[in-house]
Amino acid sequence: QKEVEQDPGPLSVPEGAIVSLNCTYSNSAFQYFMWYRQYSRKGPELLMYTYSSGNKEDGRFTAQVDKSSKYISLFIRDSQPSDSATYLCAMKEGGSEKLVFGKGTKLTVNP
Amino acid sequence: EAQVTQNPRYLITVTGKKLTVTCSQNMNHEYMSWYRQDPGLGLRQIYYSMNVEVTDKGDVPEGYKVSRKEKRNFPLILESPSPNQTSLYFCASSPMTHSYEQYFGPGTRLTVT
Repeated sequence: QKEVEQDPGPLSVPEGAIVSLNCTYSNSAFQYFMWYRQYSRKGPELLMYTYSSGNKEDGRFTAQVDKSSKYISLFIRDSQPSDSATYLCAMKEGGSEKLVFGKGTKLTVNP
Repeated sequence: EAQVTQNPRYLITVTGKKLTVTCSQNMNHEYMSWYRQDPGLGLRQIYYSMNVEVTDKGDVPEGYKVSRKEKRNFPLILESPSPNQTSLYFCASSPMTHSYEQYFGPGTRLTVT
């Protein structure tokens, strides 16, 4: 089993839809959970992070972590064409310098 | 502007011809790292550095070298490139080791024929 699993998509939704992106993981030592967004021909940029379990909201974006199920999600409300990008989940153990990335899910929001 | 820069952005070369991809950050970050990104494989770490003169292997270090002589620079060296090193390369930096946030450069697309 891979350490981090992420459905690569692609995912195509109409503008205004609610988008759900997910990752599962196997390493119970992961404590930091991040979502990076990567636009075409650009480097990834940090979108949101969560420490341990729970929810975090930032505008139209909500990150959820369920450590008991080893499952993390990113929800995008009222999706916009500008949200079209590849979304990568990333995780790390506390005290570790290594980020473990999912393979990314390519999202297209159609006007 | 705070940023990570990489040069060149695009490079086509031939097998065996040594090349260097430069990476520089102007944020006084301690931690720097190199990744390669391939379709279906995602981002994989090549090498990382926790500070000047401190470097260590990531998940896929074979065929690559790095050095960290100055805090701001972290060049990636391919001494004898091969076609399986054709990839998109990203340099990243973090303000400190063990940080969850990494700042990525714009990427270098390398083709080895």
